[in-house]
Amino acid sequence: AQSVSQHNHHVILSEAASLELGCNYSYGGTVNLFWYVQYPGQHLQLLLKYFSGDPLVKGIKGFEAEFIKSKFSFNLRKPSVQWSDTAEYFCAVPNYGGSQGNLIFGKGTKLSVKP
Amino acid sequence: DSGVTQTPKHLITATGQRVTLRCSPRSGDLSVYWYQQSLDQGLQFLIQYYNGEERAKGNILERFSAQQFPDLHSELNLSSLELGDSALYFCASSVGMGGGHTGELFFGEGSRLTVL
Repeated sequence: AQSVSQHNHHVILSEAASLELGCNYSYGGTVNLFWYVQYPGQHLQLLLKYFSGDPLVKGIKGFEAEFIKSKFSFNLRKPSVQWSDTAEYFCAVPNYGGSQGNLIFGKGTKLSVKP
Repeated sequence: DSGVTQTPKHLITATGQRVTLRCSPRSGDLSVYWYQQSLDQGLQFLIQYYNGEERAKGNILERFSAQQFPDLHSELNLSSLELGDSALYFCASSVGMGGGHTGELFFGEGSRLTVL
């Protein structure tokens, strides 16, 4: 079965520090990839997505992610985090088993940014 | 605001009871997805409907059921509730049946269910 692994459960950074959150997926074919963010008490919002083309994808709020096919990875990065980036971040991949359109999510990484 | 509306936002009930959660998808979206988010299991896909028809099933318990109505809103029915059913239930919608294969899913703010 497909899976998405996020290596870090909880990351604590100071403001202006650089961020990299790891994501690995298990599907071997052509793949779409997503990062969603969930701010405290809010719904999931799309941060960025990769469908094809340039493997370096830029999203909202200064976030970017790099798709490395050989490593089955789609790591999320931000050069300088802000206190307002405190949130939980989820990596996701579509369910390629059959005709399902749902997304399979990783367990999430909670980011706490200290002011 | 994602355009996906869920009610109620909070619900407290007792074990053995039945509740109904409601979701209105974004205007024009034909697919509705239900997810359960709990601390230990993370985000688990429950079920997908497309234009009124069940499209895919995930880890949905037999005590749970859902439907999508002609106006495209959806309801998730949870019955014989247990303590372990306490969780945040999210609804998401997408334009087509392909969901993440062709685009993104838009999520509602969730319904927090507490079973006492």
